[in-house]
Amino acid sequence: GENVEQHPSTLSVQEGDSAVIKCTYSDSASNYFPWYKQELGKGPQLIIDIRSNVGEKKDQRIAVTLNKTAKHFSLHITETQPEDSAVYFCAARFPPGGGADGLTFGKGTHLIIQP
Amino acid sequence: DTGVSQNPRHKITKRGQNVTFRCDPISEHNRLYWYRQTLGQGPEFLTYFQNEAQLEKSRLLSDRFSAERPKGSFSTLEIQRTEQGDSAMYLCASSPSSGTSWYEQYFGPGTRLTVT
Repeated sequence: GENVEQHPSTLSVQEGDSAVIKCTYSDSASNYFPWYKQELGKGPQLIIDIRSNVGEKKDQRIAVTLNKTAKHFSLHITETQPEDSAVYFCAARFPPGGGADGLTFGKGTHLIIQP
Repeated sequence: DTGVSQNPRHKITKRGQNVTFRCDPISEHNRLYWYRQTLGQGPEFLTYFQNEAQLEKSRLLSDRFSAERPKGSFSTLEIQRTEQGDSAMYLCASSPSSGTSWYEQYFGPGTRLTVT
């Protein structure tokens, strides 16, 4: 089955600096890669996603890049703010043709924005 | 608030009891998913429905777990004979099954289960 590795597990940055979180996936047939933000006591919130036919996608301060050859994708947050502090999860959709539709998640990155 | 609701938000039960959780998806979404999240981990896929049909259940953790979506709207997840290892957050998500956003899964707030 699909395996998703996420690094780092904890990331501390100064307010205003950029943060980068990286993920790798194992199955080259995977075609959809979302990123979720989870705050304490809440469910994961979809913040951005990318499909395998696109190399980069941007939404205001958040961007995601995908390298299909290397099977890795990254989340970039610029001009970080205190409200960006949360746990971020990357995920990969189950490869098509396997009969199931779901997401495999990484273990999460705890992002801490230092004032 | 994504529009996916889950009840109850918290459940404390004694080992050996049965529990049932409910999920109400976004109204126009016909795909519904259940995940389990343990402390410090990402969500783990359990099962999913397309309308009322359960299309994947081999990843349910044991035969003590079952899910239903009888009318293709809300869904329930039942755990029979609970064990302490079942303590976790149970998350529900929904997505449309067509259109440009049909891959996007939106999660509810989860039900936190504690088995004592």
